This record gives sequence, structure tokens and C-alpha cells, in this order.
Amino acid sequence: AQSVTQLDSQVPVFEEAPVELRCNYSSSVSVYLFWYVQYPNQGLQLLLKYLSGSTLVKGINGFEAEFNKSQTSFHLRKPSVHISDTAEYFCAVSDWEGGSEKLVFGKGTKLTVNP
Amino acid sequence: SAVISQKPSRDICQRGTSLTIQCQVDSQVTMMFWYRQQPGQSLTLIATANQGSEATYESGFVIDKFPISRPNLTFSTLTVSNMSPEDSSIYLCSVTLAGADTQYFGPGTRLTVL
Repeated sequence: AQSVTQLDSQVPVFEEAPVELRCNYSSSVSVYLFWYVQYPNQGLQLLLKYLSGSTLVKGINGFEAEFNKSQTSFHLRKPSVHISDTAEYFCAVSDWEGGSEKLVFGKGTKLTVNP
Repeated sequence: SAVISQKPSRDICQRGTSLTIQCQVDSQVTMMFWYRQQPGQSLTLIATANQGSEATYESGFVIDKFPISRPNLTFSTLTVSNMSPEDSSIYLCSVTLAGADTQYFGPGTRLTVL
């Protein structure tokens, strides 16, 4: 079964600074990878996904992530964050165990953007 | 994507009672899932809701505690039975659209059990 490790539980940054949220997954033949964002008291919104093709994936709100197969990583980056980016970010990997696609989530990284 | 609604959005319940959560999608979907997000935790898959047949439960979740129905392609319910304070969580449904490889999530139901 797949597993996901988000190395940082909390990341505080100042506004307009760059940020990287780290995500590593357990090795598999092929994977689909996702980043979701959860704003306070809301559901999950898809930020970006990697299914195949280019290893650099661009998402909404200026976020991007790079799939690195050799390092089994899918780190999320933004060159300049805004106060409104304050939220919890979840990395997820597809798991085809049992014949149906399931998502396995990391524990989340709480990003706090300070003025 | 799809528009996914959940009812209720939040509820406060007494221990020993049951609550049924509804999930409605505005388009036909292939897969529907139910997740639990305990306070300060990540999401854990409870079960896959199968249309017209019994749901497929993950390890640690049983039908007697979390009965699920999916009578058609766009609607599912999750019941949290005989609740205890440990059931206080956010419950989210998610869907996969036909031909897509992405799960989209509903807004969640925030449940507090006293």
C-alpha cells in the first residue's frame, strides 16, 4: 500500500517570500500525485495534479510542483506567497490496491503567511 | 469539475444517536467515496460507495457503524451510528468523474458529539 510523508507539519513564512512544502511518497510502478488545499472551515480544493508527462506541473493560485521519480518526491512551491495562501495543504497519492483507485493522504502542512 | 453538496454542513449530536449525511453531485460520476478527518488530522478513507450494492469498507471501518447507501449515480448517504465523542470529525464525500483520474471533494460535514 502507498504512503505519503509530509515532512513539515507547520511552515510559517512572511508575505512575498518563496515557499516549498515537501512531500515524499512510497515507491510504486506508477503513481498519480495530487496537492489539495483546505482553507479554514472549508472542504478540499484541488491545487494541481501529476498524472503523466512533464514533471513540472502548474496549478492554481501560482503554485507548481515537480515530480521527481528517483527521489519519490512531489514538492509544492510558490515563488511569492500572499496572506490569502494561509491554509492547510495536503499531498495525496493514488493507490490502486484492491482494484479501485483510492487516495492516500499525508498528514498535512499548515502554511501560515505573516505580514 | 463537479458541484458537490453535503447536508447538513454541521451538527451537534448526543452520544448514542445516529446522523445521516447526504452527498449530492450535479453530474454523473463513476466513483463516490467517504472520508473522515478527525480534529487536527489528515483524511482517512472510510469506504467506497458502490451504486446498487454494498459499500467497500477500509480496514477499521464496519458497515454496522457506518452504513452507506448509493441508490443512483449522483447521490449517497453516510450514517454515523451509535455516536460517541470519538466520532467528532469532519466527514467528506468525494467523487471521480467519468473519464477523469481526479477526486473532487464536497464541503464537508462538521460533526460534534457531546
